Amino acid sequence: DAGVTQSPTHLIKTRGQQVTLRCSPKSGHDTVSWYQQALGQGPQFIFQYYEEEERQRGNFPDRFSGHQFPNYSSELNVNALLLGDSALYLCASSLAGWPTQYFGPGTRLLVL
Amino acid sequence: AQTVTQSQPEMSVQEAETVTLSCTYDTSESDYYLFWYKQPPSRQMILVIRQEAYKQQNATENRFSVNFQKAAKSFSLKISDSQLGDAAMYFCAYYSNTGNQFYFGTGTSLTVIP
Repeated sequence: DAGVTQSPTHLIKTRGQQVTLRCSPKSGHDTVSWYQQALGQGPQFIFQYYEEEERQRGNFPDRFSGHQFPNYSSELNVNALLLGDSALYLCASSLAGWPTQYFGPGTRLLVL
Repeated sequence: AQTVTQSQPEMSVQEAETVTLSCTYDTSESDYYLFWYKQPPSRQMILVIRQEAYKQQNATENRFSVNFQKAAKSFSLKISDSQLGDAAMYFCAYYSNTGNQFYFGTGTSLTVIP
């Protein structure tokens, strides 16, 4: 049973660029959530996707956007990258109506 | 907004001994869940244990158990018979059923001494 997978594992970008991160949920899961984890901090909720729509959003600017595909996989897009966007980005999947989330290994983004 | 506080940035325990990690939270909701997640250096968050707020009985998973005090809004994790593989960052998390999102604490770094 495949768990949550994310790609790429590491990424280096420069300020002003755009980045796309990808996530495949655990088999059987239909809901994907994205989190930003800065160094030494706990994860911060970015948004959650269900049925290809953004269901809930945390306190992040519109530069952060996402998408969910019919196969439940998801993308996180960040435009106009800032140095402060450097972080570990975690994807978590769950079954709708069920609170337990399973996390992927994360994508480490470094903005120079 | 809900807040989760972990007041112990670092803890250490001798192998085979017991350690308790503290967590408090603030909420006005009555329907929620609480979790402990473990994040080893490999950085993948691993579910340790879950507690439903409506359940009075404390959750237990093998060597891991919680002390859930709803009125005090406290949710501590006890690790018994600590093993070297337990060394990791531990995060306490609150899940809001109405908000459909997690709120995480800042974590406690656990070191296990051989």
